[in-house]
Amino acid sequence: GQQLNQSPQSMFIQEGEDVSMNCTSSSIFNTWLWYKQDPGEGPVLLIALYKAGELTSNGRLTAQFGITRKDSFLNISASIPSDVGIYFCAGPDPTSGTYKYIFGTGTRLKVLA
Amino acid sequence: NAGVTQTPKFQVLKTGQSMTLQCAQDMNHEYMSWYRQDPGMGLRLIHYSVGAGITDQGEVPNGYNVSRSTTEDFPLRLLSAAPSQTSVYFCASSYSSRYYGYTFGSGTRLTVV
Repeated sequence: GQQLNQSPQSMFIQEGEDVSMNCTSSSIFNTWLWYKQDPGEGPVLLIALYKAGELTSNGRLTAQFGITRKDSFLNISASIPSDVGIYFCAGPDPTSGTYKYIFGTGTRLKVLA
Repeated sequence: NAGVTQTPKFQVLKTGQSMTLQCAQDMNHEYMSWYRQDPGMGLRLIHYSVGAGITDQGEVPNGYNVSRSTTEDFPLRLLSAAPSQTSVYFCASSYSSRYYGYTFGSGTRLTVV
């Protein structure tokens, strides 16, 4: 089946640093979603992207829909301790339409105060 | 609104036992899905539904059954629990998955011994 590969798998950063992570696929996607999961909770939607090249921000978070439509990027500026969690990219399975969403393996972020 | 409600939050089963994980949403969402989350593997789709009376298999459906008799409820049944089904299970729903993404419940942590 389709797979979304996220990198890095995990990262430790100092508070105040900027963070970058990405998500890649072997297939073309028409939607990219970025979620954050806090410990013990379900994922929460952060940003949705619908067009190649689109750049969308949500506070200190900025995500981009790659121009090849096979990748997406998430940046967090000036990280703070509450940014800790797992960040997932997701998109509708290209072979199955919009109902089946597949998720990446996640990037685990740890912020050192 | 309660959003997506999952019960129970924690469950321990013996191998071979059966049980039903409950999921209910009060947002009148047509689309509902079940995912399992295992360390290092992200979220994998078990089953999904695009409306009452309509269900389909996801990526890892073996050992699980679902039904959708109402818009609100989407229970997941484990027929004969196995240790490989030890995982965290998330139910999610969406009004229009492409434009709004999925809203997740807080999960059920299942241990099969």
